[in-house]
Amino acid sequence: GDSVTQMEGPVTLSEEAFLTINCTYTATGYPSLFWYVQYPGEGLQLLLKATKADDKGSNKGFEATYRKETTSFHLEKGSVQVSDSAVYFCALSPSTGANSKLTFGKGITLSVRP
Amino acid sequence: DTAVSQTPKYLVTQMGNDKSIKCEQNLGHDTMYWYKQDSKKFLKIMFSYNNKELIINETVPNRFSPKSPDKAHLNLHINSLELGDSAVYFCASSQRGGLFVDTQYFGPGTRLTVL
Repeated sequence: GDSVTQMEGPVTLSEEAFLTINCTYTATGYPSLFWYVQYPGEGLQLLLKATKADDKGSNKGFEATYRKETTSFHLEKGSVQVSDSAVYFCALSPSTGANSKLTFGKGITLSVRP
Repeated sequence: DTAVSQTPKYLVTQMGNDKSIKCEQNLGHDTMYWYKQDSKKFLKIMFSYNNKELIINETVPNRFSPKSPDKAHLNLHINSLELGDSAVYFCASSQRGGLFVDTQYFGPGTRLTVL
């Protein structure tokens, strides 16, 4: 079945550091890929998405490129802020199937210190 | 003007009790979902409704019963609560479900603690 694998966490960075969070997936066909973010005490919200190979999703300084050849969708940000401290989830939606659903990775907690 | 709202935000109860969580969305979406998030933040879908029709029913004990009186509401009733039911429950909605999965909009969550 479909699956999403995220790098192990937690991750702690200093403000203005470069961020990479790895995400790889297993799915048939061409799934859509998402990054969701969960700030402390809140529900998840969409950060960015990509629906086909080589698409780049971007939002709030974050970027991720859909790489079909490596089945990856790594999240990057050039300079993190304290306000980026949150849990980040990679997810996929299959391209086939009558009742599609999002499959989430385990999530990774990011802490940014001043 | 909250998009997806849930009540209550916190729920503390004894083992064996029955409780309900309510969810409402004002986005005009057709599809609604219930997720369970455990203490390690792992998120798992439980149910999905499209226009009041159940379309996804994962392997969930039948003590959990969703009900959708209309497409803007999806409630979750839990019978005979157990310690392992303690978690954060999220409601979500999307414009479309079924074959295509649109962006999902999540509620703030209900933290259920079973003592």
